[in-house]
Amino acid sequence: GQQLNQSPQSMFIQEGEDVSMNCTSSSIFNTWLWYKQDPGEGPVLLIALYKAGELTSNGRLTAQFGITRKDSFLNISASIPSDVGIYFCAGQTELISYNTDKLIFGTGTRLQVFP
Amino acid sequence: GAVVSQHPSWVICKSGTSVKIECRSLDFQATTMFWYRQFPKQSLMLMATSNEGSKATYEQGVEKDKFLINHASLTLSTLTVTSAHPEDSSFYICSAPGTSGLRGPYEQYFGPGTRLTVT
Repeated sequence: GQQLNQSPQSMFIQEGEDVSMNCTSSSIFNTWLWYKQDPGEGPVLLIALYKAGELTSNGRLTAQFGITRKDSFLNISASIPSDVGIYFCAGQTELISYNTDKLIFGTGTRLQVFP
Repeated sequence: GAVVSQHPSWVICKSGTSVKIECRSLDFQATTMFWYRQFPKQSLMLMATSNEGSKATYEQGVEKDKFLINHASLTLSTLTVTSAHPEDSSFYICSAPGTSGLRGPYEQYFGPGTRLTVT
């Protein structure tokens, strides 16, 4: 199936450092979403982006919807141990109906935070 | 907020048997639900779209006769893995779209997942 390219694949950082990860696609997306998944659990939505160029924050998290609509990035500032997990971007190519639009997931970024 | 539950959370079955996984939207209705499969250290791959009252739509490469989907009500979709084999062992996750507490029209609410191990 189709997947988005996400980088880096993994990150090992020290508590307090800032983190940046991005997602790219060869296709245009109308919606970009960023999720966090803890081991053995389902993904939890962190930030949703609905317009090209949009910059949105949620606490220490900031995400942007690329102008070309083919990329997005997520920044985490002042990381803490509970930020550990896998971060996925997800995109939707069509905006016909939120009931039927599928999500395409990125390959994931595994984040480790050391105290 | 909207909650999606899955049952069971984990299941072990013998090769050749069938396993049913339930996905429920607890406080909202969902005419559509999505089923994903996730192998260890990999991303979520969409398997099929479950449509209430009609046939499911399967992604390319997913065997519809092996992964039976039934969306009998506005709050329940089931995925049955028929004649399971060890290669079907995976983490199965469902999601349902609903109105959002975030800025924007909607978000996908994910269940906690079901870990299937076929021996």
